[in-house]
Amino acid sequence: EPEVTQTPSHQVTQMGQEVILRCVPISNHLYFYWYRQILGQKVEFLVSFYNNEISEKSEIFDDQFSVERPDGSNFTLKIRSTKLEDSAMYFCASSGGSRESASTDTQYFGPGTRLTVL
Amino acid sequence: AQSVTQPDIHITVSEGASLELRCNYSYGATPYLFWYVQSPGQGLQLLLKYFSGDTLVQGIKGFEAEFKRSQSSFNLRKPSVHWSDAAEYFCAVGAAGGYNKLIFGAGTRLAVHP
Repeated sequence: EPEVTQTPSHQVTQMGQEVILRCVPISNHLYFYWYRQILGQKVEFLVSFYNNEISEKSEIFDDQFSVERPDGSNFTLKIRSTKLEDSAMYFCASSGGSRESASTDTQYFGPGTRLTVL
Repeated sequence: AQSVTQPDIHITVSEGASLELRCNYSYGATPYLFWYVQSPGQGLQLLLKYFSGDTLVQGIKGFEAEFKRSQSSFNLRKPSVHWSDAAEYFCAVGAAGGYNKLIFGAGTRLAVHP
């Protein structure tokens, strides 16, 4: 069964450093998402991406964050200058279908990358 | 604003017992509702979803959920729990139309006693 993969599984970085979290969505999917879960808190939406551009972003997704689909298979989340409060589990998700069916298509989640900022 | 409340943070049941996990949502229009499960070290796996039609929805692993508009609830049930059901369960709401941003509840951690 196809699945979403994420690398690395755990990333430790120093405050102020840049990190790139990588995701390989399911190959025929058109929509891509990042969510995060701070320890003990809810899973929160960060951003959705469709047709090579951001389709929606939350207030969390400020100028320190960016997303990219550098080739036909990877989807990345970059944090330019990490802060302590960026420590969280970051989940990538993808869903297939068209823009019309985006609301009802199942989002498939990867196993997450645990980011620790020291 | 959309929100999801899962009132129970932890639930412990005995193997073979029935299970009900509660979920209440707040959303102005017709909600799209989801239940996901997360096992340790795993991603979120969809158990079931509701968009319209029959308010009792069947999912994988023997789970079902019932949408009750009058109570703004979408509770998850299983008649007989197995030890492998121990995991964290998340209820989520999505918006009709557009890009399917999911709003998650805080999750309920289920422990199963033998």
